[in-house]
Amino acid sequence: AQSVTQLDSHVSVSEGTPVLLRCNYSSSYSPSLFWYVQHPNKGLQLLLKYTSAATLVKGINGFEAEFKKSETSFHLTKPSAHMSDAAEYFCVVRPSGAGSYQLTFGKGTKLSVIP
Amino acid sequence: GAVVSQHPSRVICKSGTSVKIECRSLDFQATTMFWYRQFPKQSLMLMATSNEGSKATYEQGVEKDKFLINHASLTLSTLTVTSAHPEDSSFYICSARAIESGAAYEQYFGPGTRLTVT
Repeated sequence: AQSVTQLDSHVSVSEGTPVLLRCNYSSSYSPSLFWYVQHPNKGLQLLLKYTSAATLVKGINGFEAEFKKSETSFHLTKPSAHMSDAAEYFCVVRPSGAGSYQLTFGKGTKLSVIP
Repeated sequence: GAVVSQHPSRVICKSGTSVKIECRSLDFQATTMFWYRQFPKQSLMLMATSNEGSKATYEQGVEKDKFLINHASLTLSTLTVTSAHPEDSSFYICSARAIESGAAYEQYFGPGTRLTVT
């Protein structure tokens, strides 16, 4: 079984300051991990993914995440928040292995960016 | 590449009627499509998985007779909400599974359909 815990339901930062969205996972096998962003009334956009290559993953729009197996974490960071980053962010886990495709979503973290 | 569309983006229907939502993979073939439901301020919940040419597999607690899924081709899956009621009002999102280089199977999400039942 696998699960995802997003530790904060809401994070508020000032524009230009760093962003940290926390995610811990539980998985029986080496998982693939993803971060998706959802703007209001929109679908999901993939920010980045970890699939057992480099542990530090760079994504779009300046976001990156580090896979830490010892801490079972996959936190999302960005050095400097922009107003357009305000959205809902989902951490997602998928078991590894051929044919493994079922995604388990975290509950989401709403990011607010204060001007 | 790997674009998924949904139609309509928004629909309002009266209680008791049925509504069909289409999910299309525009530039790739999708052997598997997924339907999710998202309640306000909540995460996505998988409703069902559909494979082209076969019956959909529904998650526990999802009424298969209420949420009819048809995956008639490699680029189209439809979700029909039958005899809709106000509690069916939600944001419905589909995704499609594509084969990329290296045989890494990824899901690509549609933009979602907002269903409001009055």
